[in-house]
Amino acid sequence: GAVVSQHPSRVICKSGTSVKIECRSLDFQATTMFWYRQFPKQSLMLMATSNEGSKATYEQGVEKDKFLINHASLTLSTLTVTSAHPEDSSFYICSAPGQGSEAFFGQGTRLTVV
Amino acid sequence: AQSVAQPEDQVNVAEGNPLTVKCTYSVSGNPYLFWYVQYPNRGLQFLLKYITGDNLVKGSYGFEAEFNKSQTSFHLKKPSALVSDSALYFCAVRDTGFQKLVFGTGTRLLVSP
Repeated sequence: GAVVSQHPSRVICKSGTSVKIECRSLDFQATTMFWYRQFPKQSLMLMATSNEGSKATYEQGVEKDKFLINHASLTLSTLTVTSAHPEDSSFYICSAPGQGSEAFFGQGTRLTVV
Repeated sequence: AQSVAQPEDQVNVAEGNPLTVKCTYSVSGNPYLFWYVQYPNRGLQFLLKYITGDNLVKGSYGFEAEFNKSQTSFHLKKPSALVSDSALYFCAVRDTGFQKLVFGTGTRLLVSP
């Protein structure tokens, strides 16, 4: 089946620094990718929709300048958390629609800002 | 707007017993319904989906789900639970016109030996 690879799986950074998370579709092309954030013991909240070759679409309440999304190719989307603060600590997950109707998810990235 | 409700935060079941994880949904058009499972610190794994056809859908690891249009439900079931089934389960819905998935709040399944 389709595979989405997300990297890194875990990152610890200092407050004020930026962190980049990569999401790759390994055996299919993804013109669209979705970025989710998951707080402990809570559901996935959609942050933004990444579109290859155009600007990302952000959900209400998500700061686009804080969470920079780039979808430079049909197999790669990146999320950069800029000037990270402890409240940005969370589990971030990307997904891409497959050939069928289901979505395929990356392994997730646990971000801890200290 | 699309929405999904998972009324139970946690379901406890003994190994070997049948399990049910509940899900109800609301969409404006025809629903695409999904169940995903999440293990600690991992992404989501696809279990099964309903698009059209038979109301009873069979998926991975012996799970199945029944689509009930009149009750707008899509409960996840398994005839005999395993300890290894313990995980977080998410129901999700997508309207036919959109790619975006809307997730329920998740149900933690705990299967005891």
